[in-house]
Amino acid sequence: AQKVTQAQTEISVVEKEDVTLDCVYETRDTTYYLFWYKQPPSGELVFLIRRNSFDEQNEISGRYSWNFQKSTSSFNFTITASQVVDSAVYFCALSEETSGSRLTFGEGTQLTVNP
Amino acid sequence: KAGVTQTPRYLIKTRGQQVTLSCSPISGHRSVSWYQQTPGQGLQFLFEYFSETQRNKGNFPGRFSGRQFSNSRSEMNVSTLELGDSALYLCASSLVTRPPDTQYFGPGTRLTVL
Repeated sequence: AQKVTQAQTEISVVEKEDVTLDCVYETRDTTYYLFWYKQPPSGELVFLIRRNSFDEQNEISGRYSWNFQKSTSSFNFTITASQVVDSAVYFCALSEETSGSRLTFGEGTQLTVNP
Repeated sequence: KAGVTQTPRYLIKTRGQQVTLSCSPISGHRSVSWYQQTPGQGLQFLFEYFSETQRNKGNFPGRFSGRQFSNSRSEMNVSTLELGDSALYLCASSLVTRPPDTQYFGPGTRLTVL
């Protein structure tokens, strides 16, 4: 069965610090998809990125970057030069090809960026 | 393009009552999924619909049901409400279900059961 683990429950940083959110996953499928979502206090989950299991290329989008390593079953997310607006709960999620679009979420990491 | 909309945004019910939540997907999206979010259990998958057919179901009791209409709008129903059903219910839509597509979430319906 699939599983996603986000070991960091809460992280607190000062503005402009870099921060990495860890995500480790388990799956028996060879084809799967990994996602990161952001949940601000308003509650809506905001999509950040989607990667498939065949694409291990790291990705950078502005201050955000993602490091996908199949060898360690990890999909970590780094925010460079954090800002107060980055404060939110971040969720890593997994979807297996055999399970359709069903997402299995990690427990989430509460990130607080202090001014 | 308008995002996923959910109504109502807030609901207060008492134990034993039933409730219906509504979700309108992004225009053109044919798949709708529902999730329950609670502090204790986190985000859990309820069910997934595509073209009016339930394609996948999570591990929830039969009191939780749903349906999808021909215009892709979806409703979920919870009968005989229990205190533990208090949660944020999130709806998500995607273009397709297979291969797994990106799901876009609505703002949620916060249900409080007294």
